[in-house]
Amino acid sequence: DAGITQSPRHKVTETGTPVTLRCHQTENHRYMYWYRQDPGHGLRLIHYSYGVKDTDKGEVSDGYSVSRSKTEDFLLTLESATSSQTSVYFCAISDPGHSGYEQYFGPGTRLTVT
Amino acid sequence: KQEVTQIPAALSVPEGENLVLNCSFTDSAIYNLQWFRQDPGKGLTSLLLIQSSQREQTSGRLNASLDKSSGRSTLYIAASQPGDSATYLCAVGRVSGNTGKLIFGQGTTLQVKP
Repeated sequence: DAGITQSPRHKVTETGTPVTLRCHQTENHRYMYWYRQDPGHGLRLIHYSYGVKDTDKGEVSDGYSVSRSKTEDFLLTLESATSSQTSVYFCAISDPGHSGYEQYFGPGTRLTVT
Repeated sequence: KQEVTQIPAALSVPEGENLVLNCSFTDSAIYNLQWFRQDPGKGLTSLLLIQSSQREQTSGRLNASLDKSSGRSTLYIAASQPGDSATYLCAVGRVSGNTGKLIFGQGTTLQVKP
């Protein structure tokens, strides 16, 4: 298994509070991604990073920000959590030099916003 | 806009049966196609990656094919086992920018009955 960890694995928070989720990889892959998974919507890309300090938006980026200060860490921040952001969040990694962008996923973080 | 469809949404088969899962996509200009498995409450496990120049990939009892011109991929599972019960997701990689971003189908939930 690819070395990807996510923390926390579970979190309950209140509406309006900021929340930061962390993704850590030990594979030295260049690209990192944050997805959310919801019933009826499947997996949707929130933000991705193509290098240290290089990030871009995905299809559902409103209300989220990201940062990548080191190759191994990619942080997802919900600036002011809302109930619509209750979801399971997955981090993934890939690298063009490793099996041509094959993506590997972390175990997920289940976030509940009350 | 690329759309990925997986039909059926759910499938139940007796143990030992050979089966085919289907994935279709609307834009044939893809970079790659990846099949994943997801067990309940878990992350995604990469099963097979097919580059756009390839027609198929095999791993053990799994065989994935790709027909870009018709916008279709199939995942063939030979001699199914109860342990194959899971949700299978198909994802298509975009061509532009070579960022590795994936568009996911909603998955087929497979149940293999003993």
